[in-house]
Amino acid sequence: NAGVIQTPRHKVTGKGQEATLWCEPISGHSAVFWYRQTIVQGLEFLTYFRNQAPIDDSGMPKERFSAQMPNQSHSTLKIQSTQPQDSAVYLCASSLALGAEQFFGPGTRLTVL
Amino acid sequence: GDQVEQSPSALSLHEGTDSALRCNFTTTMRSVQWFRQNSRGSLISLFYLASGTKENGRLKSAFDSKERRYSTLHIRDAQLEDSGTYFCAAEAGGGSGNKLIFGTGTLLSVKP
Repeated sequence: NAGVIQTPRHKVTGKGQEATLWCEPISGHSAVFWYRQTIVQGLEFLTYFRNQAPIDDSGMPKERFSAQMPNQSHSTLKIQSTQPQDSAVYLCASSLALGAEQFFGPGTRLTVL
Repeated sequence: GDQVEQSPSALSLHEGTDSALRCNFTTTMRSVQWFRQNSRGSLISLFYLASGTKENGRLKSAFDSKERRYSTLHIRDAQLEDSGTYFCAAEAGGGSGNKLIFGTGTLLSVKP
């Protein structure tokens, strides 16, 4: 079991560019979560899916951020027109079911110049 | 909104000593997880508790089963390799959903 896989591990973009982050959950896990970590805000929730369906996106910034889960083996987080304040480590987690233990990937460090 | 208050924010221990971290919740929580963030930034799950206590080696965690408003992580016989940042995270469930709400972390430094 490779655990949750996130790619890329590091991404540098210029202001205004688009960034797409990828997450492969643990096989058989039905729930996928996205969080981000910054020095100022700490660890904060963004959005999650159950059986590929979006359940709660209350943590997502209203503009420029979107997340999809086109199949059970991967989810993407897309940030359009990136801004310096989007710089953070974006973490993906999966769990066997909602309410179960969440397992985290290594994160993608996004730097917006 | 629901909050998780973690203390202390930083802790310095000598090898061989014991200590405890604590998280208080502003509302009743359904479950709690404790993590250690390693030097590469990965969040390693230490414990998941829906109630009661769990123990793994020199670590022991408890989740208040009565009011479900606090959890503790006890470190016994601290070793150098225990150094790192520890986070608690709680899930409220119900109308608040299944997202984890994180504490602000405890930076643990174990010294010889």
